[in-house]
Amino acid sequence: DVKVTQSSRYLVKRTGEKVFLECVQDMDHENMFWYRQDPGLGLRLIYFSYDVKMKEKGDIPEGYSVSREKKERFSLILESASTNQTSMYLCASTGSDRGLYEQYFGPGTRLTVT
Amino acid sequence: AQSVTQLGSHVSVSEGALVLLRCNYSSSVPPYLFWYVQYPNQGLQLLLKYTTGATLVKGINGFEAEFKKSETSFHLTKPSAHMSDAAEYFCAVRGGGGNKLTFGTGTQLKVEL
Repeated sequence: DVKVTQSSRYLVKRTGEKVFLECVQDMDHENMFWYRQDPGLGLRLIYFSYDVKMKEKGDIPEGYSVSREKKERFSLILESASTNQTSMYLCASTGSDRGLYEQYFGPGTRLTVT
Repeated sequence: AQSVTQLGSHVSVSEGALVLLRCNYSSSVPPYLFWYVQYPNQGLQLLLKYTTGATLVKGINGFEAEFKKSETSFHLTKPSAHMSDAAEYFCAVRGGGGNKLTFGTGTQLKVEL
């Protein structure tokens, strides 16, 4: 079974802090994604990566950056956390083989910025 | 561009009743469609998917969905609701290039005794 893990389930940070969210997958997937989930808005794509050191902006990249130095690990960085970044953050991964399009999700990190 | 509309942000059914969660999509290419379920404080879990072939797709936990191209719909059904089905359900579409999915805004299912 695919396993996607996220470094923290709950995180509380102060405004202005630099925040790192880590995601690791164990299925050798090429593609990894970061979403944020807010009530009534569903999942919105922040960034995704289709290979090591490759990244592309999603729908809401402002205020975020990412890093993918190794294939299994994809990090989301909040350079200077703000209260409007309080949210649930979900990481997902998928392979590039034809037909394998479903994404596998981690358990999520609920981030509170005070 | 792809988009997904889930009608009804909250649906309430009685235990044992039919569950029907609606999803309509827009895609410029033949779509791949997915339903995910999210239990409280957990990530998303795949319920079922449609890629090609049979338009009636069966998933886990007794759920199924039918792809109707003429109606651009992919509604999720279950004949008899169980208390354990209470969760949030997301419809998603993949279309065009890449492996990105576009998600709907979700439907919260409540199951009452």
